[in-house]
Amino acid sequence: GAGVSQSPSNKVTEKGKDVELRCDPISGHTALYWYRQSLGQGLEFLIYFQGNSAPDKSGLPSDRFSAERTGGSVSTLTIQRTQQEDSAVYLCASSSPPTSGSSYNEQFFGPGTRLTVL
Amino acid sequence: RKEVEQDPGPFNVPEGATVAFNCTYSNSASQSFFWYRQDCRKEPKLLMSVYSSGNEDGRFTAQLNRASQYISLLIRDSKLSDSATYLCVVKVSGGYNKLIFGAGTRLAVHP
Repeated sequence: GAGVSQSPSNKVTEKGKDVELRCDPISGHTALYWYRQSLGQGLEFLIYFQGNSAPDKSGLPSDRFSAERTGGSVSTLTIQRTQQEDSAVYLCASSSPPTSGSSYNEQFFGPGTRLTVL
Repeated sequence: RKEVEQDPGPFNVPEGATVAFNCTYSNSASQSFFWYRQDCRKEPKLLMSVYSSGNEDGRFTAQLNRASQYISLLIRDSKLSDSATYLCVVKVSGGYNKLIFGAGTRLAVHP
């Protein structure tokens, strides 16, 4: 079946411009995650959506970053007034919701959006 | 101090070699542990979970030492196709699937 898809695959923008990154999760996955991976670094958690619950935004690095998930499916990550340090690969993942605090449902990742801020 | 620490490598090994990666984590409330594999310019994919009793999947063996907060991955009979970055990943207790990723250890297997 179809995996997680993200668009665009690459985005080059000028400092100060706004960008929108899109994620289409696997059908039926109610949990959706955004991560950022800078060169040579591990994945940095940004935000988590689960169904209609309030999202966990604790990983967003500044108020220039925001994300929405409409209709419980597609999500958009918006970065306003981009800075050069925002250059990274932005990865989206989705999973089935955990059935308990101790369970784990595998997160499936999309191919990412490579953002370059000039 | 990073929550999950790994030696970045690279580990350069010949085909057929045995190689081991280590990882330490700082949060004693960490509950579940995984190794993910990430090929160059690709997304991470789950390689295997890590259980307290140790577990094996073909040529791959994972170990967990909760007392030392230490995780390992052993690869036997390395193949060229094993060349990738191996990410140590920890799930903290409670809540949801929140994962903490290490920066990864790069493996290069040469002929």
